[in-house]
Amino acid sequence: AQSVSQHNHHVILSEAASLELGCNYSYGGTVNLFWYVQYPGQHLQLLLKYFSGDPLVKGIKGFEAEFIKSKFSFNLRKPSVQWSDTAEYFCAVNSYNNNDMRFGAGTRLTVKP
Amino acid sequence: DTAVSQTPKYLVTQMGNDKSIKCEQNLGHDTMYWYKQDSKKFLKIMFSYNNKELIINETVPNRFSPKSPDKAHLNLHINSLELGDSAVYFCASSSMSGVGLFFGSGTQLSVL
Repeated sequence: AQSVSQHNHHVILSEAASLELGCNYSYGGTVNLFWYVQYPGQHLQLLLKYFSGDPLVKGIKGFEAEFIKSKFSFNLRKPSVQWSDTAEYFCAVNSYNNNDMRFGAGTRLTVKP
Repeated sequence: DTAVSQTPKYLVTQMGNDKSIKCEQNLGHDTMYWYKQDSKKFLKIMFSYNNKELIINETVPNRFSPKSPDKAHLNLHINSLELGDSAVYFCASSSMSGVGLFFGSGTQLSVL
């Protein structure tokens, strides 16, 4: 089965700083990749997803992620974070046309005003 | 209208009790899930149903029993609750095309 690892457990940034959260997956076949965000006390919401095509994917709220197949990576980026981006971020993967979705352990982002 | 709704939002109960959490989705999706999120925010899949049939059943104690009366509903029944069952349980749904999951707002279960 596929698995996901997120390198950063807790990231603390000041407002306007740039963000990059790492995500690597292990699976030999074709995968679909996702980033979800969980604001404090809320449920998970989809930020962006990659199925095929352009490996640079743009999502909501100014987030983007780049799929690098050779590195099995799907890192999340944002050029300038805001205090409201404080949340838990989850990378997830499922194999193509399969709904068995596996999540990484999550990265807690704290943005200081 | 809420796409994936689960009830109750909070559930506080004593060890040894039996409780149920209900989930309904109005998205027309074929697949529904239960995930458990522990105190460290780790999300673990428990079960997945596709058109009322069980397709994923992770290593979960037999005390947990999912029931899907139709493809829009997936309920979770837990027998003989233990302290370690305390967590947030999320219901989710997706279409078979794998476009991603839509999550409910979660049920925070506290076992005392």
